[in-house]
Amino acid sequence: NAGVTQTPKFQVLKTGQSMTLQCAQDMNHNSMYWYRQDPGMGLRLIYYSASEGTTDKGEVPNGYNVSRLNKREFSLRLESAAPSQTSVYFCASIGQISNQPQHFGDGTRLSIL
Amino acid sequence: AQSVSQHNHHVILSEAASLELGCNYSYGGTVNLFWYVQYPGQHLQLLLKYFSGDPLVKGIKGFEAEFIKSKFSFNLRKPSVQWSDTAEYFCAVISSGGYQKVTFGTGTKLQVIP
Repeated sequence: NAGVTQTPKFQVLKTGQSMTLQCAQDMNHNSMYWYRQDPGMGLRLIYYSASEGTTDKGEVPNGYNVSRLNKREFSLRLESAAPSQTSVYFCASIGQISNQPQHFGDGTRLSIL
Repeated sequence: AQSVSQHNHHVILSEAASLELGCNYSYGGTVNLFWYVQYPGQHLQLLLKYFSGDPLVKGIKGFEAEFIKSKFSFNLRKPSVQWSDTAEYFCAVISSGGYQKVTFGTGTKLQVIP
C-alpha cells in the first residue's frame, strides 16, 4: 500500500546515545516533515524539507539534524539524546497541490532514559 | 504568523450527545483547513478538509465542519457521538502557494462515555 513508512516503531535510548529515525514515502511527494507529539502540546514541527536537497528548521529544531537523502527518504537524527527528547515522532509528506492533506507515518515512540 | 487555536482541551460527552469542537486560525492569505483524528496509539487520519466552495464540509463517520471566513473559524460537529469517537482531534491549516506551511492546533481529547 502507498504511504509513509517509519522505522523503528519503538526505541529506548540512554542519555547521550545517538540514533536515526528513518522515513520513506512512495507517493512522489515533494514536501516531507518531522513532528514530535507531546501531551497537551499537539504536533510541533522539528524540520521540514520542501523538496529534494533542501531542509529547513521548524519550531523545535534544537538537538536534531535531518537529511533529505532523495525524494523518497527523510531521516531525523538525534546526535546526543536527552530525556527531553522522549516523545512520539511522526513523519509526514504532502504533494504539490496545497489542497491535499498530509499523509502521516505510524509514528516512532522514543524513550530516553 | 500562521496560528491555530483549539480552545477545548478535553471534552467528555455521553453517547448520543451532540459535539462541537472549536477551531480558530489566524492567517492573512488563502488557507486550506483540515480536521484530523488520532485514535489511541495510532497516527493522524484525515476526517475532512475545506479548500473552496461550499463552506459546510462533510467528512467521514458523520462528522462535518463549517468554515466561517468572517470569524476565522472551522468548527467540527457531529450530531450524535458514539463511544468509538473517543480520540484526539486536531485542526490544521495549510497556507496556499509555494511551500505548504502546515500549522496544527494543540488538539482536543474527546472522551465518550457509554
